[in-house]
Amino acid sequence: SQTIHQWPATLVQPVGSPLSLECTVEGTSNPNLYWYRQAAGRGLQLLFYSVGIGQISSEVPQNLSASRPQDRQFILSSKKLLLSDSGFYLCAWDSGLNTGELFFGEGSRLTVL
Amino acid sequence: EDQVTQSPEALRLQEGESSSLNCSYTVSGLRGLFWYRQDPGKGPEFLFTLYSAGEEKEKERLKATLTKKESFLHITAPKPEDSATYLCAVPFYGGSQGNLIFGKGTKLSVKP
Repeated sequence: SQTIHQWPATLVQPVGSPLSLECTVEGTSNPNLYWYRQAAGRGLQLLFYSVGIGQISSEVPQNLSASRPQDRQFILSSKKLLLSDSGFYLCAWDSGLNTGELFFGEGSRLTVL
Repeated sequence: EDQVTQSPEALRLQEGESSSLNCSYTVSGLRGLFWYRQDPGKGPEFLFTLYSAGEEKEKERLKATLTKKESFLHITAPKPEDSATYLCAVPFYGGSQGNLIFGKGTKLSVKP
């Protein structure tokens, strides 16, 4: 069966520090991968998606970046965090068959102080 | 601009008290409407996909319906374990089916 792992689960970072969140998917090949953010009082917002290794599309301009170094690995990064980067970050995958069903990870809660 | 609006923001029910959640949408060419359930501190879990007006889907005490402008999630005789935030979403116009616009959700609390 397919599983998705995200880490770390929780982190508290000072403004201006770097960030790296990792996500891996097991049990499937060539998935579409997504990073969403859920900020307080806002709905889930798509940040990045990837249809293959090295292929990244951004939906929202920001100081975050994403990379996909391997088929089932997706990384969210920042060189310098802002207060507004605080939120609940969710990685998700789908099969690429356009069924509309996303499988989400457990999330990473980031607090920037 | 594509939009998804959910109401109410929060709903408190007594166990067994049926009700409905609303999701209205404005999109250029609907390619599906999706319902998810999210428990506190967890990622959303997929519930239903609806593609055309008049379509209905059921799962245990939940039934989702779709019209040309909105979707309803009907909860019949809810139990405390149905307490969660319910999210609806539609795909971005021109994007893949996983590029979703989510509503802010309805937080449902069911008291015993």
